Amino acid sequence: GAVVSQHPSWVICKSGTSVKIECRSLDFQATTMFWYRQFPKQSLMLMATSNEGSKATYEQGVEKDKFLINHASLTLSTLTVTSAHPEDSSFYICSARDQERPTDTQYFGPGTRLTVL
Amino acid sequence: KQEVTQIPAALSVPEGENLVLNCSFTDSAIYNLQWFRQDPGKGLTSLLLIQSSQREQTSGRLNASLDKSSGRSTLYIAASQPGDSATYLCAVPLQGGSQGNLIFGKGTKLSVKP
Repeated sequence: GAVVSQHPSWVICKSGTSVKIECRSLDFQATTMFWYRQFPKQSLMLMATSNEGSKATYEQGVEKDKFLINHASLTLSTLTVTSAHPEDSSFYICSARDQERPTDTQYFGPGTRLTVL
Repeated sequence: KQEVTQIPAALSVPEGENLVLNCSFTDSAIYNLQWFRQDPGKGLTSLLLIQSSQREQTSGRLNASLDKSSGRSTLYIAASQPGDSATYLCAVPLQGGSQGNLIFGKGTKLSVKP
């Protein structure tokens, strides 16, 4: 089955530093990947859509200069949280669409727990 | 604006019980509806996807139904087991947006006691 990995699984950083999270599709090619954020006891909310070889599309209210997304290959997308603050502490989950399967099929990564001190 | 609501927020049952989780959505013009499972601190596992033209989908002990006109879906779990303990999420795609823009409910946290 299709597998999506994320690295790291958890990270703790100081306020003001930047953190990079990787999302990889291990056994399929993904032209499109998605980044979600989940606060405690809240729904997952889409942050941005990452397209291989082009700029990401950000959802309303998500600062593109703060959450930098790079999708440089068909199997890797990265999310960099720049100048992180405690309010950025959250669970970040990526998903990837297998280009060989129907467009409504997404495979989710295991998530990355970010804690900003 | 599409909103997805899940009731109850939490549910605790003894092992072996059959149970129903509920999901409702405000805009009935959906492409499909998915049910996911999320274990603590983990990502999502897709359980069932129901296309808008379908009434139900079954996978093992799971059965999901969809009533578009009333904006409701149910996830039926038969003969529950402790391993079923997790948070169950339902989601629908945002109309007119990327197929990836799934609108999620807050989930139902299920605990099955041995």
